[in-house]
Amino acid sequence: KQEVTQIPAALSVPEGENLVLNCSFTDSAIYNLQWFRQDPGKGLTSLLLIQSSQREQTSGRLNASLDKSSGRSTLYIAASQPGDSATYLCAVRYYTGTASKLTFGTGTRLQVTL
Amino acid sequence: DGGITQSPKYLFRKEGQNVTLSCEQNLNHDAMYWYRQDPGQGLRLIYYSQIVNDFQKGDIAEGYSVSREKKESFPLTVTSAQKNPTAFYLCASSGLGVGGRYNEQFFGPGTRLTVL
Repeated sequence: KQEVTQIPAALSVPEGENLVLNCSFTDSAIYNLQWFRQDPGKGLTSLLLIQSSQREQTSGRLNASLDKSSGRSTLYIAASQPGDSATYLCAVRYYTGTASKLTFGTGTRLQVTL
Repeated sequence: DGGITQSPKYLFRKEGQNVTLSCEQNLNHDAMYWYRQDPGQGLRLIYYSQIVNDFQKGDIAEGYSVSREKKESFPLTVTSAQKNPTAFYLCASSGLGVGGRYNEQFFGPGTRLTVL
């Protein structure tokens, strides 16, 4: 059974710092990996999608990497801002026959302080 | 505007009542999903559907039912058999990409259900 772990569970950094969020998964037979952001009481917003054949994806100040063989992904946030405060979740997509599901980690709650 | 809508935003249910949560998408996605989110826990899959008139149980389907009569709609009914239904419910959808496999998944804004 695929399990996804995110470390740390919570993180507080001062504004302007660069930071790294970690995601690990137990089964490397994934199709893709997706990073999401969730604000309190809201739905999930997709940040980055990395296909299993890719090593990294970038969007603005965000960079996500994927090392499928070791079961790890990182989300790098450059020059953090208070508006980055949210919970960040990673999820891996895998197939069982033709059925496709996402398995989610429990998230990292980020607070960026002034 | 393309996206996923869920209604209502807040829902209150009395013990013993069935309630239905609405989810509609105009992204022309084939697959739709329902998740439950509880404080301090990850998202747990309730039901999913990859094609109209077909759906599969997820990890926590007991006490829930769904239908998929139209591609754009995937309503979730929380029945009185669900022992602890108070939670945040999220609907999602994803479309087929190159090679016929599912790509990026998108989420609706959620419905918060409270049992009184």
